[in-house]
Amino acid sequence: DTEVTQTPKHLVMGMTNKKSLKCEQHMGHRAMYWYKQKAKKPPELMFVYSYEKLSINESVPSRFSPECPNSSLLNLHLHALQPEDSALYLCASSRSTVNTEAFFGQGTRLTVV
Amino acid sequence: EDQVTQSPEALRLQEGESSSLNCSYTVSGLRGLFWYRQDPGKGPEFLFTLYSAGEEKEKERLKATLTKKESFLHITAPKPEDSATYLCAVQETKAAGNKLTFGGGTRVLVKP
Repeated sequence: DTEVTQTPKHLVMGMTNKKSLKCEQHMGHRAMYWYKQKAKKPPELMFVYSYEKLSINESVPSRFSPECPNSSLLNLHLHALQPEDSALYLCASSRSTVNTEAFFGQGTRLTVV
Repeated sequence: EDQVTQSPEALRLQEGESSSLNCSYTVSGLRGLFWYRQDPGKGPEFLFTLYSAGEEKEKERLKATLTKKESFLHITAPKPEDSATYLCAVQETKAAGNKLTFGGGTRVLVKP
């Protein structure tokens, strides 16, 4: 099973809203990631969690707040987003943070209005 | 700075017309090179990992090869269902946290 599950699939939110994206994997992977992908562009790394601790923040604005409650779950809390934050948000996981392939979820299509 | 460049940006093929996609990279040390397939509006699907020059991997109509400066993804006798964007990504030896640097992708359209 190489499944990473993301919810919701689609989300429309206003600039004053607070929402959360959720990601779950049951492969026993100890590294989890958030990526952002704009149309016709490659994925861009946002955050990396290793053994439930934040190990990389790619200078992401504070309106994006990640959380890793346990080794299977990863959340991305959203607050006061801008229209330019509209994108496909991808979660991924890998066995570790060293030299292992990452498996991606199907993404959440976020639209900020 | 790590650089990953994919070419061509787009490729239109007739069904059965074999072709190759290129991924050239500039890194101080390669830890691994990864190929993914992405369908519109979906997440990337893992295809292959290559670690050292000379390595080859195959899966159905796809074959990935690696040299010291580039990787090729060969599509043999493609079918319409092979239409997708193919992404390559590299992990550099000094990269923290399994960070992947992606190329811009090659959009492949296979016509019946």
